[in-house]
Amino acid sequence: GENVEQHPSTLSVQEGDSAVIKCTYSDSASNYFPWYKQELGKRPQLIIDIRSNVGEKKDQRIAVTLNKTAKHFSLHITETQPEDSAVYFCAASISSGGSYIPTFGRGTSLIVHP
Amino acid sequence: NAGVTQTPKFRILKIGQSMTLQCTQDMNHNYMYWYRQDPGMGLKLIYYSVGAGITDKGEVPNGYNVSRSTTEDFPLRLELAAPSQTSVYFCASRPAFSSYEQYFGPGTRLTVT
Repeated sequence: GENVEQHPSTLSVQEGDSAVIKCTYSDSASNYFPWYKQELGKRPQLIIDIRSNVGEKKDQRIAVTLNKTAKHFSLHITETQPEDSAVYFCAASISSGGSYIPTFGRGTSLIVHP
Repeated sequence: NAGVTQTPKFRILKIGQSMTLQCTQDMNHNYMYWYRQDPGMGLKLIYYSVGAGITDKGEVPNGYNVSRSTTEDFPLRLELAAPSQTSVYFCASRPAFSSYEQYFGPGTRLTVT
């Protein structure tokens, strides 16, 4: 089955800096890669996703890049703010028709210091 | 829409007790999932369902059972609680074809002592 590795487990930055979280996956057939944000004590929520036919996707201060050859994808957050502090999870899945069973990484705790 | 709701929010069980974690969604989503979240371990899939009457095992199904008699409800049953089942449990749902986004419930924090 799919195996997703996520690094780092903890990331501490100063407000205004950029943050990068990296994930690698094992199954070359995986074609959908979402990122979820989970604030303390809250539920995970989708913040951005990317499909395998796209190399990069941006949404305001966040972006995701995908390297299919190397089987890794990354989340980039620019101009970080204290409200970006949360745990971020990546996931990978083979998505075909309606079928979708994602495998999640272990999460990265991002701390943004004011 | 209330989205995905879960009850209870918190529960303490003694070893060997049983309980049912409730999950309901009002978005008419076909797919529903149960995950457990242990510290530093991400989300592990317990069971999932592609529609009423259809369920399947995920990565960590031992010690759990599910049923899906309606589109809206997907309860998770723990028959003989063990300390290893201490965790936060999340239910999630998604529509059949229009999106792969999963909508999560608020979670149930379960402690088995």
